[in-house]
Amino acid sequence: EPEVTQTPSHQVTQMGQEVILRCVPISNHLYFYWYRQILGQKVEFLVSFYNNEISEKSEIFDDQFSVERPDGSNFTLKIRSTKLEDSAMYFCASKWERSAFFGQGTRLTVV
Amino acid sequence: EDKVVQSPLSLVVHEGDTVTLNCSYEVTNFRSLLWYKQEKKAPTFLFMLTSSGIEKKSGRLSSILDKKELFSILNITATQTGDSAIYLCAPNYGGSQGNLIFGKGTKLSVKP
Repeated sequence: EPEVTQTPSHQVTQMGQEVILRCVPISNHLYFYWYRQILGQKVEFLVSFYNNEISEKSEIFDDQFSVERPDGSNFTLKIRSTKLEDSAMYFCASKWERSAFFGQGTRLTVV
Repeated sequence: EDKVVQSPLSLVVHEGDTVTLNCSYEVTNFRSLLWYKQEKKAPTFLFMLTSSGIEKKSGRLSSILDKKELFSILNITATQTGDSAIYLCAPNYGGSQGNLIFGKGTKLSVKP
């Protein structure tokens, strides 16, 4: 069964460093999303992506964040100059029709 | 500003009990409503609801949507310990293919 895969599963980084979170969406899906979930809190929307450009982004998705689909399969989230409060679980999702499927997430820990 | 409200936030039951989880929402350009189960990591897809009054079923789980009252429920009958999880409700709304907004979830604990 096709699935969304994310790497790495866990990333520890020092404050101020840049991180890149990677996702391989399900191959025939066209819409891609990044969400984050701070421990104990609800899943929050970051950004949606379609046709190689951002469709929508939340207030959380400021200039510190960027997304890219560099090679037609991978979908990346870059966080520049990480802050302690960026520590969270980051989920990638891809969508077919109206059902969205999530990857297993990357746990980002900023120290 | 909560656009998705789930209740209860937490629920403890015993195996064999039946539970009803509630979700009310307020979004513009509603497209569908999705239910997910979140155990240790990623939300896993359960149901997608688009029409009022049509029950979706999968084994012991069922769900129904009321688009007039902006409400959905998820029922689980004959609960098992493996049903212990956080259940998330997420309306899909907006233009193009839309976006999902999540509620805080209902944490269900099923005791043996």
